[in-house]
Amino acid sequence: GAGVSQSPSNKVTEKGKDVELRCDPISGHTALYWYRQSLGQGLEFLIYFQGNSAPDKSGLPSDRFSAERTGGSVSTLTIQRTQQEDSAVYLCASSSGLAGGTQYFGPGTRLTVL
Amino acid sequence: AQSVTQLDSQVPVFEEAPVELRCNYSSSVSVYLFWYVQYPNQGLQLLLKYLSGSTLVKGINGFEAEFNKSQTSFHLRKPSVHISDTAEYFCAAGRAAGNKLTFGGGTRVLVKP
Repeated sequence: GAGVSQSPSNKVTEKGKDVELRCDPISGHTALYWYRQSLGQGLEFLIYFQGNSAPDKSGLPSDRFSAERTGGSVSTLTIQRTQQEDSAVYLCASSSGLAGGTQYFGPGTRLTVL
Repeated sequence: AQSVTQLDSQVPVFEEAPVELRCNYSSSVSVYLFWYVQYPNQGLQLLLKYLSGSTLVKGINGFEAEFNKSQTSFHLRKPSVHISDTAEYFCAAGRAAGNKLTFGGGTRVLVKP
């Protein structure tokens, strides 16, 4: 079946602009995660959605970052007033939400802030 | 809080030689442990995971890992590597159901002919 998809695959933006990154999880997966992969920080957790529960936002680096998940499926990560340090690969993953369930990752969105 | 440490940032190895990638974790509670592989310009793919039970876990592509609770380690091994194993490998720990993963810094494996 289809895996996790993300769009766009690459995004180049100017400092100060807002960007939206999209994630389509595997159908039926109730849990959805956003991570960031950068040279300096490695792989970092950003935010986690599980069903209708309040999201775990503990990894968001600043209030410029936000995410929503509509209808328990598609998710959008929004970065406002982008900064150069936001340049990274943003990875989305989904899982069944069960204990120890495998997280399946999408190919990522490479964000470059000029 | 939990943390994951991968002791080697890079591991060069000759084709058909064995390889071991080291991973240590720290956590005040029981954890689930994972190894993911990232091939160049691709996303993360699960190699194997430890949830409970047998401490020796076998995964895809001939990889295996051993959970050692007393040493808080989860080292990954392959007895004979191929050129196609050139990739970056990430160890990760998770806790409760569907919870976030904490990743190690990654180990880049370069298989030489």
